[in-house]
Amino acid sequence: GQNIDQPTEMTATEGAIVQINCTYQTSGFNGLFWYQQHAGEAPTFLSYNVLDGLEEKGRFSSFLSRSKGYSYLLLKELQMKDSASYLCAVNQAGTALIFGKGTTLSVSS
Amino acid sequence: DTGVSQDPRHKITKRGQNVTFRCDPISEHNRLYWYRQTLGQGPEFLTYFQNEAQLEKSRLLSDRFSAERPKGSFSTLEIQRTEQGDSAMYLCASTAGPEAFFGQGTRLTVV
Repeated sequence: GQNIDQPTEMTATEGAIVQINCTYQTSGFNGLFWYQQHAGEAPTFLSYNVLDGLEEKGRFSSFLSRSKGYSYLLLKELQMKDSASYLCAVNQAGTALIFGKGTTLSVSS
Repeated sequence: DTGVSQDPRHKITKRGQNVTFRCDPISEHNRLYWYRQTLGQGPEFLTYFQNEAQLEKSRLLSDRFSAERPKGSFSTLEIQRTEQGDSAMYLCASTAGPEAFFGQGTRLTVV
């Protein structure tokens, strides 16, 4: 089976940097994803890591260490609109994309 | 519109009734997923299709739930004899590569 853990809630202020961690246990790892979900809306894709290292995309970066079963999502220059739930998801080879419970990020001014 | 579409967006039903939801994936996406999401939780995997073949079903999916994807295009999810615990957002996603694209979901309320 798979086990994905991430913090339930985080708070930060505008302009700051926040790191959301995700740990996972799975077999047949085939990639790790981060999705953003605003309240009442569908999840939208942020990033994908299949090899170790850092992937940067604008204000968002995602890091993966497969040996440690660990990933983080780094959000820079936080804006109020970044207040949302951030979902870590793991793709196990030949099977479905499995999500963690999500981290609710609140950005205040 | 080239995104994933789901119908209906909202459904209110009485306990014990059957409901059916539809998902139209992005054209030529061969994989289609159904998820259920309740407030404050991440999407919970229900089932997964590769073209018309249903490859995996969650152990959490009771016999009251059934899904089809005839001809490998649109998919339907049926819930028979609905219970109040079935109240949730039902999300569909499709993909042809790593990134999964989600529809807006169908919000089911069982009263």
